[in-house]
Amino acid sequence: ETGVTQSPTHLIKTRGQQVTLRCSSQSGHNTVSWYQQALGQGPQFIFQYYREEENGRGNFPPRFSGLQFPNYSSELNVNALELDDSALYLCASSQTGLGRKTGYTFGSGTRLTVV
Amino acid sequence: DQQVKQNSPSLSVQEGRISILNCDYTNSMFDYFLWYKKYPAEGPTFLISISSIKDKNEDGRFTVFLNKSAKHLSLHIVPSQPGDSAVYFCAASAGAGSYQLTFGKGTKLSVIP
Repeated sequence: ETGVTQSPTHLIKTRGQQVTLRCSSQSGHNTVSWYQQALGQGPQFIFQYYREEENGRGNFPPRFSGLQFPNYSSELNVNALELDDSALYLCASSQTGLGRKTGYTFGSGTRLTVV
Repeated sequence: DQQVKQNSPSLSVQEGRISILNCDYTNSMFDYFLWYKKYPAEGPTFLISISSIKDKNEDGRFTVFLNKSAKHLSLHIVPSQPGDSAVYFCAASAGAGSYQLTFGKGTKLSVIP
C-alpha cells in the first residue's frame, strides 16, 4: 500500500509567478485535501476535492485553485504568488467521510519559498 | 480567532514517564478530535481520535481524554520513549458535512533518555 506522495519537495519562486504542486493519493482513497502550514503554525485547510470537484474550501482567495484527476491524483495551483505564500503545502487523502474520524493520510509536503 | 489552541509550545519529559499534551477548543460544533504526530521533513501522522460522545479512547501507549464541558482534551503517552520526540498537533472536525480539520499550533515533545 503506497502512501501519499507529493512533488516537488522544495521549490523557489519569485513574487508574482504561478506555481503548480502535485499529489498522488494513497491507494484506495478517493478524496484529497490541501493544507498550508506556515512556520510555527498548524496546517490550515485550503480545500478538498471529491469526484473531481471542489466540495469544501477554507479561507483562501481564488488565486488558490485545484484539480483532481480520475485516478484521484491532484494539483494545487497558486497564481500571483505573494511572499506570505511561503509555507509547507501538505496534501492529505482519505476514503469519503472517514478522514475526519479515522485520520487523513498526509504526504511529506512541498516546501515553497517565494522571494 | 483560534478555534483550537495548544498553549504549550514545548514539553520535556524523562523516558519512561508520562507525557501529557493539552488542547482547548472553542467551537461547540466540533464532534471529532484527532491527534497527529509530526517528525521534521515528514507529513503529520495520525495517532488517535475521539468522538465527542465519548470521554476516553485508548490505543496502546496513547490515551485521549475529552472533557466536553471544559472544551478540553488531552493526550497521554505512557511510557514515553525517545522515539516519541516530535511535534504533536491537536485537530478537530465540525460535523458530517464539514471536511476540514482545524489544527492547533502544535506542541514539541522532547523525551529525554
